Amino acid sequence: KAGVTQTPRYLIKTRGQQVTLSCSPISGHRSVSWYQQTPGQGLQFLFEYFSETQRNKGNFPGRFSGRQFSNSRSEMNVSTLELGDSALYLCASSVGQGYNEQFFGPGTRLTVL
Amino acid sequence: SQKIEQNSEALNIQEGKTATLTCNYTNYSPAYLQWYRQDPGRGPVFLLLIRENEKEKRKERLKVTFDTTLKQSLFHITASQPADSATYLCALPISGGYNKLIFGAGTRLAVHP
Repeated sequence: KAGVTQTPRYLIKTRGQQVTLSCSPISGHRSVSWYQQTPGQGLQFLFEYFSETQRNKGNFPGRFSGRQFSNSRSEMNVSTLELGDSALYLCASSVGQGYNEQFFGPGTRLTVL
Repeated sequence: SQKIEQNSEALNIQEGKTATLTCNYTNYSPAYLQWYRQDPGRGPVFLLLIRENEKEKRKERLKVTFDTTLKQSLFHITASQPADSATYLCALPISGGYNKLIFGAGTRLAVHP
């Protein structure tokens, strides 16, 4: 089975721009979660989607948004980028219901200049 | 608020010894706890999940304990090898969400030949 894939792997943007990151979960997985990882804050939960619905949300401003498509692929968008948004953005997929292990992708390294 | 603490200092051990990593949590009674391994520049990799009604779980050279009274989990790697060198993260589900995880800052393990 192919693992979780994320595109692009690296991205450089300037303040004020917006960015869209993509995640393809493992085949058959219906839950996709997004995390932000920085050296100072560690791994922080952004949101989770299940069957195209946002099921959980972390404590991030409204500039961070996401969606999930019918094939379970997910995208996250960050608008009006700030320097502090520079981070590794990780996507994780899981089967869905219950207590499940999360399978992480390699991440997208976003640098905001 | 829910809080997870892991030893922020790196753990250095000799090859062949047992590595023991600690995860403490407060203000919380999680239904389960997970351990992940993360190598530099990569996404975390799931290792073990232990439920609140389980005291101990094993997988090959790995062993996890879960003490809900002490609010602590211990993660052991027996017969450690240099290839075990990585950062190990403990994660708990945020109340109200199965796949909404809060991660500890991680403990970096270095196994020396």
